[in-house]
Amino acid sequence: SAVISQKPSRDICQRGTSLTIQCQVDSQVTMMFWYRQQPGQSLTLIATANQGSEATYESGFVIDKFPISRPNLTFSTLTVSNMSPEDSSIYLCSVERGGGHEQYFGPGTRLTVT
Amino acid sequence: GQQLNQSPQSMFIQEGEDVSMNCTSSSIFNTWLWYKQDPGEGPVLLIALYKAGELTSNGRLTAQFGITRKDSFLNISASIPSDVGIYFCAVHNAGNMLTFGGGTRLMVKP
Repeated sequence: SAVISQKPSRDICQRGTSLTIQCQVDSQVTMMFWYRQQPGQSLTLIATANQGSEATYESGFVIDKFPISRPNLTFSTLTVSNMSPEDSSIYLCSVERGGGHEQYFGPGTRLTVT
Repeated sequence: GQQLNQSPQSMFIQEGEDVSMNCTSSSIFNTWLWYKQDPGEGPVLLIALYKAGELTSNGRLTAQFGITRKDSFLNISASIPSDVGIYFCAVHNAGNMLTFGGGTRLMVKP
């Protein structure tokens, strides 16, 4: 498995502001992923972040709204920009480990936008 | 896009009962994963399935990869209060993506 930490664990933010979420992994990984989980819903992939290349965004998510950094093989950040109440969600990072495409998740960041 | 149909959406059972939930898809997948999410936590991987027909156990949990590669089920035997949570199935797509089912919320009455 993997030990993954996220900061902050939760935050309450005002609309129009931005929040940067950090994800730290206990060892080097090639692929890191960012997901959104809206209240009472399942997980939706926002983007895949590989070190040394631009993040790949899924349909419905754009770089201007969710810029991602991947400066090294153990760390990534996701920024939620110009927030609105609709951005209130849990944001989760994950990493792929092992040869079988298993993903392991961080504890999540619970964001509330007022 | 690809969709996973997970059922039931929720279950309220008595402690000690067995639980069964399943996921179906219209597409074929080569990897099925089952996760559990406790309140305020990220999903935790329970079981990974890689071969059609494969039956895998993890303690009181048993999962099977359907022979058609379009479905999977998860069984929990002799449920206990700490089994409470949301269970998600997931499949691995091309591009190293996971697609998740809608989740099954399990509630256990002591």
